[in-house]
Amino acid sequence: GQNIDQPTEMTATEGAIVQINCTYQTSGFNGLFWYQQHAGEAPTFLSYNVLDGLEEKGRFSSFLSRSKGYSYLLLKELQMKDSASYLCAPVDSNYQLIWGAGTKLIIKP
Amino acid sequence: GAVVSQHPSWVICKSGTSVKIECRSLDFQATTMFWYRQFPKQSLMLMATSNEGSKATYEQGVEKDKFLINHASLTLSTLTVTSAHPEDSSFYICSGRYNSEYEQYFGPGTRLTVT
Repeated sequence: GQNIDQPTEMTATEGAIVQINCTYQTSGFNGLFWYQQHAGEAPTFLSYNVLDGLEEKGRFSSFLSRSKGYSYLLLKELQMKDSASYLCAPVDSNYQLIWGAGTKLIIKP
Repeated sequence: GAVVSQHPSWVICKSGTSVKIECRSLDFQATTMFWYRQFPKQSLMLMATSNEGSKATYEQGVEKDKFLINHASLTLSTLTVTSAHPEDSSFYICSGRYNSEYEQYFGPGTRLTVT
């Protein structure tokens, strides 16, 4: 079967760094997306990794290890507006995104 | 670029009536569109996938006669919830994808409340 595992909720302090982990098992693999979803809104694209390694984009970075079925999203210099759910979504052999339940990130002042 | 709109953004209807939600790709041709449903504090649940000009492919457990999907053009897909019931109240989100790209561009969502 296909499975995505992310922590349900995390709390961090404004200005700090937080790492959100995701492990996955899919039928085939064609890369992995991270999306951000604020409450009551649709998801917005953050990153896409298809090769192993770290991709940096401003305050956000995403890492992928295909052999370990593992990815993480790293958020630096946290701001209050980063309070949201973060969705890990690998792409399976049918080119479908497989959605996890997401990690709710709470930022405290 | 890659903007998707949805209309309406929210709707309240009475039980037994039908509701149509439109999803439009504004600046690209969406060869494939997806319809999702999301209940509070739960993950996105894919309802169906539709390719322009073809019948939609529904996920297991989704009633195709209740959730009618039409993808008549490369920029428009519609979801009609027929004979809506209170348990159909949810956040409905569409997304579009073009050509062989994997990324999906999401609409802002439609909040449906059935009374």
